[in-house]
Amino acid sequence: QVQLVQSGAEVKKPGASVKVSCKASGYTFTSYDINWVRQATGQGLEWMGWMNPNSGNTGYAQKFQGRVTMTRNTSISTAYMELSSLRSEDTAVYYCARGYCSGGSCYIPDYWGQGTLVTVSS
Amino acid sequence: SYELTQPPSVSVSPGQTARITCSGDALPKQYAYWYQQKPGQAPVLVIYKDSERPSGIPERFSGSSSGTTVTLTISGVQAEDEADYYCQSADSSGPLVFGGGTKLTVL
Repeated sequence: QVQLVQSGAEVKKPGASVKVSCKASGYTFTSYDINWVRQATGQGLEWMGWMNPNSGNTGYAQKFQGRVTMTRNTSISTAYMELSSLRSEDTAVYYCARGYCSGGSCYIPDYWGQGTLVTVSS
Repeated sequence: SYELTQPPSVSVSPGQTARITCSGDALPKQYAYWYQQKPGQAPVLVIYKDSERPSGIPERFSGSSSGTTVTLTISGVQAEDEADYYCQSADSSGPLVFGGGTKLTVL
């Protein structure tokens, strides 16, 4: 069965970086985009960006450009999201999710990771 | 930046019809998608391409589009439908943009 398993919770100090992993199984990793979406406690969903695991191509939401880097290791079917210059407002649950695009329209049809809580606190 | 606007909350009694709207300037040109999220869980897609329902989603969930507004309709609301609902679309700034979310309360 398809699974996206994320790395565990992190506690970081302001100004530090965090790298969250997302290990895919049950399907061909390079066949679907990986999106990253975050959600602060009690707040809405916020799309951060996407990565094509086959080509390595990425696209980031304007808000995160310059601070986020999405990469992958195809040999272990794992995607990574690194966010730098952390501040308290970055405290949130970070999700990876399998994406699909058709005719220029993209969405998340099915599988999400379990979420990784990143806490930024001094 | 592009915005999708949803009402913060909608309340309905069991068996009634809930309608959740989402407004955005690009919606006439872009498909909309709807996700349901229950506390402590990842979102689940309930409507795609404005009005299509994924397999496994109950028939009481439907979607429609008119101009700059899309609507998620839940007919015969059940207690289990109480959740947060998010619309999602795209624009030139990015392929995925989420609305602010609507909390559906079943009275």
